[in-house]
Amino acid sequence: GAGVSQSPSNKVTEKGKDVELRCDPISGHTALYWYRQSLGQGLEFLIYFQGNSAPDKSGLPSDRFSAERTGGSVSTLTIQRTQQEDSAVYLCASSPVGETQYFGPGTRLLVL
Amino acid sequence: AQKVTQAQTEISVVEKEDVTLDCVYETRDTTYYLFWYKQPPSGELVFLIRRNSFDEQNEISGRYSWNFQKSTSSFNFTITASQVVDSAVYFCALSEFGNEKLTFGTGTRLTIIP
Repeated sequence: GAGVSQSPSNKVTEKGKDVELRCDPISGHTALYWYRQSLGQGLEFLIYFQGNSAPDKSGLPSDRFSAERTGGSVSTLTIQRTQQEDSAVYLCASSPVGETQYFGPGTRLLVL
Repeated sequence: AQKVTQAQTEISVVEKEDVTLDCVYETRDTTYYLFWYKQPPSGELVFLIRRNSFDEQNEISGRYSWNFQKSTSSFNFTITASQVVDSAVYFCALSEFGNEKLTFGTGTRLTIIP
C-alpha cells in the first residue's frame, strides 16, 4: 500500500528489556514524526525528522528513548530498559515538509 | 505555548441527528494550522481537514462541515445526519508555522446510536 506502515503491530516485552519500533513513511515524504498515545497522557509528540536529521527531539521523555532515520526513509524508535509506564501506542506519521501529516496504524507496546 | 481544548469527552446521539464537536485553541503565533483527525475503533488516525490561520472561510465536505472563528479561537466540527460509521474518537490539533509538531486535544468520543 501507499500509506505509512509500522512494525510490529503489537509488542509485549518484559520490564528492563530494549525494544525497537519501525516506521516506513510514505514514499517521497521528507518529514517523519513519532507520537505516543497513552491513556493518561493522550497524544504526545516525541520527535520530528527532516531527512535524516532530527531538529526537534523535545518530546522524548527520557534518555532511554532514541530514534534514528536512515536514507531519508525508514525510522527506528528505540526504548532501552523499558518501564511499565512506556506501555502505549506509538504512532508514526509522515508528510512533505510543512504539509499534512498522515499516520500509520501504530505499534501497541505492552511492558509487563 | 500552544494548547488545544476539547471539553466534550464523550457524546452520544441517535443516528441521523446532527452533532457538533467543539475545539478551542491557544497560540501566540499569527500563522498556524488547525486539523481534525478521526480515530475509528481500528485505531488509525485518519486526516479530515487542515486549515490555515488566514483562511476563516467555513468548509463543507459532504456531511461534514467546519466552522473556524478566530475571534473565539474555535474550530468546531459538525456532522450532519450522523451515521453509525461516524462513531469514533475525533481529535482537534494545532501546529504553529515553523514548528512542525502537532499539539492534540484530548479527543471527543462520539457514539452514534442506531
